[in-house]
Amino acid sequence: SYELTQPLSVSVALGQTARITCGADNIGSKNVQWYQQKTGQAPVLVIYRNDNRPSGIPERFSGSNSGNTATLTISRAQAGDEADYYCQVWDRSAAGVIFGGGTELTVL
Amino acid sequence: QVQLMESGGGVVQPGRSLRLSCAASGFTFSNYGMHWVRQAPGKGLEWVAVTSYDGSNKYYGDSVKGRFTISRDNSKNTLYLQMSSLRPEDTAVYYCAKDRMGYGGNGFDSWGQGSLVTVSS
Repeated sequence: SYELTQPLSVSVALGQTARITCGADNIGSKNVQWYQQKTGQAPVLVIYRNDNRPSGIPERFSGSNSGNTATLTISRAQAGDEADYYCQVWDRSAAGVIFGGGTELTVL
Repeated sequence: QVQLMESGGGVVQPGRSLRLSCAASGFTFSNYGMHWVRQAPGKGLEWVAVTSYDGSNKYYGDSVKGRFTISRDNSKNTLYLQMSSLRPEDTAVYYCAKDRMGYGGNGFDSWGQGSLVTVSS
């Protein structure tokens, strides 16, 4: 089955750039979404189709996807960006949605 | 604005059944695919099921296939999840989520607040 691999945790200094990766076989051929989930809240879509931001999501959030790795980049990290982040794809062969295991972002 | 409101959660014994509902408003419900996603306590997100905009196509995650049934009533703007043969490992917060378009390849752009299901004797 198709699996998405994320680091368990990423730390970033306040105001610096955080990069969260999502690895899988030939993930560059799929559309990748990213969700932010703060403690006790429902997830929020922050990137869809690899590099598109929904309305209301700051330009500091960006995405890329190539080869075997998709990346969520958060520029000028703020304390309010502390959350769990999940990548997600639709796996056509399995006819199902796949989530990565999630990455906890800490802003120092 | 889009609102999704889950209901029907609670404590249920192993082997029993439970039905969740998700009332939708603020958008044309009958135009969009809808999903159920769950999250066990302290764990990550797990996709459960999707139904197409008209209910004609449905897909399930491996862990619930054959036990859970997703359905919708477009006349009532409501999504359902019928859960049977429940197991302790089904304990989770269950979210309904609206698809941007299609079955999940474009993202879930709205989520409910979640409904907690606890399977325990």
